Amino acid sequence: GQNIDQPTEMTATEGAIVQINCTYQTSGFNGLFWYQQHAGEAPTFLSYNVLDGLEEKGRFSSFLSRSKGYSYLLLKELQMKDSASYLCAVRLRSNDYKLSFGAGTTVTVRA
Amino acid sequence: DVKVTQSSRYLVKRTGEKVFLECVQDMDHENMFWYRQDPGLGLRLIYFSYDVKMKEKGDIPEGYSVSREKKERFSLILESASTNQTSMYLCASSSPGLVGGELFFGEGSRLTVL
Repeated sequence: GQNIDQPTEMTATEGAIVQINCTYQTSGFNGLFWYQQHAGEAPTFLSYNVLDGLEEKGRFSSFLSRSKGYSYLLLKELQMKDSASYLCAVRLRSNDYKLSFGAGTTVTVRA
Repeated sequence: DVKVTQSSRYLVKRTGEKVFLECVQDMDHENMFWYRQDPGLGLRLIYFSYDVKMKEKGDIPEGYSVSREKKERFSLILESASTNQTSMYLCASSSPGLVGGELFFGEGSRLTVL
């Protein structure tokens, strides 16, 4: 099976920065995805990295190091609405469209 | 607005019942997937389909089957429901033409088997 690890829970204060790490050991690699899932709702796409480096999208950034099997999602200027689960997922091959997911990280933002 | 619609948000069934979970997408996507989501285990792939009439087993297909008779519809079938199939079921779709091939998810169907 595929091994995709992320912390179970994180807590941070409104306005702060939180970094969610994801490490993976998989049989192949063709891209890493981050999804956000609010309680009781569908996961929604946040970011996609296939090459090493940092991708920035507003308050959210995602980083990938393929040689280290490592990614992180950085959430800046935290808002209460950022309280959610964040899912790390890996695509194994270019012609294989299914994703393998980590267990998810629940982020709680406190006032 | 693009959409993946799952027919039932909440279902309660009895052990041994046959259960149908329906999923429809309006994005003309080729690929469709069924995942189940359990606390601490994340999303696990049950079955997927890359074309009409085509289906392939995912990581945990035991106790499930699927049907894809039309491009927009992908059904998950529990032939004889058991209590260990109590879970949140998520349907998703994607297109090979999209950069990266991101998945679009439905709202989920929470199934309880008594």
